[in-house]
Amino acid sequence: DAGVIQSPRHEVTEMGQEVTLRCKPISGHDYLFWYRQTMMRGLELLIYFNNNVPIDDSGMPEDRFSAKMPNASFSTLKIQPSEPRDSAVYFCASGGRTNSPLHFGNGTRLTVT
Amino acid sequence: GQQLNQSPQSMFIQEGEDVSMNCTSSSIFNTWLWYKQDPGEGPVLLIALYKAGELTSNGRLTAQFGITRKDSFLNISASIPSDVGIYFCAGQAYSGGGADGLTFGKGTHLIIQP
Repeated sequence: DAGVIQSPRHEVTEMGQEVTLRCKPISGHDYLFWYRQTMMRGLELLIYFNNNVPIDDSGMPEDRFSAKMPNASFSTLKIQPSEPRDSAVYFCASGGRTNSPLHFGNGTRLTVT
Repeated sequence: GQQLNQSPQSMFIQEGEDVSMNCTSSSIFNTWLWYKQDPGEGPVLLIALYKAGELTSNGRLTAQFGITRKDSFLNISASIPSDVGIYFCAGQAYSGGGADGLTFGKGTHLIIQP
């Protein structure tokens, strides 16, 4: 089991640029979650999918953020245009069913200058 | 929205000492989870609790799901240097038959002096 795979591990970009973060969940998991972690706010849920369908995106900060899950093995989180306050570590997590724990990837550390 | 209060925020202890941390919530959760995060990595699951009152151990770790469903604690016995890290509690609720995302505490930063 390869676990949840995220790419890239680190991303440094200039303000105004588009950023795309990628996630491959654990095979067979029906749930996929995107979290953002900062020192000030801790871990925040941005959006989650069930069977590739977005269920709750109320945590997405604003319209600059969008997420897609075109198939069961791939999801993207896009920020366009990026701003310095978007700098954080973004985690993807997947879960097998409603009553099972989430498994996290190693995160993408985003720095927007 | 749901919030978790995790305490203490940080702990500095001697190797070999026992550690206790807890989380409380104003809302009921159906599942309580405890994660550990090492620098540069994602949170790793330590213990999962599914029933009110449940007490579960994983090696030197013991966690309990509070009877009211609004709290949980994690104990680490005989701490060792590799226990250093940030420990997060997380609660999971269910609505409409589906799982909501986890709500995380702010974390307890554990520092151990050899």
